[in-house]
Amino acid sequence: EVQLVESGGGLVQPGGSLRLSCAASGFNFGNYWVHWVRQVPGKGLVWVARISGDGTRSDYADSVRGRFTISRDNAKNMLYLQMSSLRVDDTAVYYCSHENLDYWGQGTLVTVSS
Amino acid sequence: QAVVTQPPSLSASPGASASLTCTLRSDINIGTYRVHWCRQKPGSPPQYLLWYNSDSDKRQGSGVPSRFSGSKDASANAGILLISGLETEDEADYYCMIWHRSLVFFGGGTKLTVL
Repeated sequence: EVQLVESGGGLVQPGGSLRLSCAASGFNFGNYWVHWVRQVPGKGLVWVARISGDGTRSDYADSVRGRFTISRDNAKNMLYLQMSSLRVDDTAVYYCSHENLDYWGQGTLVTVSS
Repeated sequence: QAVVTQPPSLSASPGASASLTCTLRSDINIGTYRVHWCRQKPGSPPQYLLWYNSDSDKRQGSGVPSRFSGSKDASANAGILLISGLETEDEADYYCMIWHRSLVFFGGGTKLTVL
């Protein structure tokens, strides 16, 4: 059974940094692209970034490019999102998701506020 | 203009069918795009439903019943999610998504009310 479990969310001040983690299990992690998707409570889903199975390729939404970095550790079956220069409008629940967005974690809430 | 547009709401009765649309921006031809669909109930993560490109290129999500199906309306440049035999449990937010130039775009979602 595919499982994705996010962690690392919390309260951070504007301009600060935070690293999210996603523990994957139930599939051959290194063979698949994985994504981060976020959702402001009460609003729609917004794609953030994705990374290839071997970690050599990544793509970002315009709103986070240059501020967020997606990475992975295939030996540990872990996905990460390093977020810096955080803004109030980055406040959202962040989900990790499998390659075709067909499996999702439960999400972790990031709140950017002073 | 958004890459993908969905109507914000739709209402239908139990037992009836509902057709949810996902319109691509006019400069993006839906012809070869796979249109993916998921739904989300309050307090839960999204649940994947299916993707559809053509009758020979489509896939149902794991455990998703056959009353959920996809199609396209090329004249409207839109993907369609058809839900037949509506149940009250189908009440949820429905999102479409496409891969375009290596990026993923979600529609704004359609809130389906079943009453």
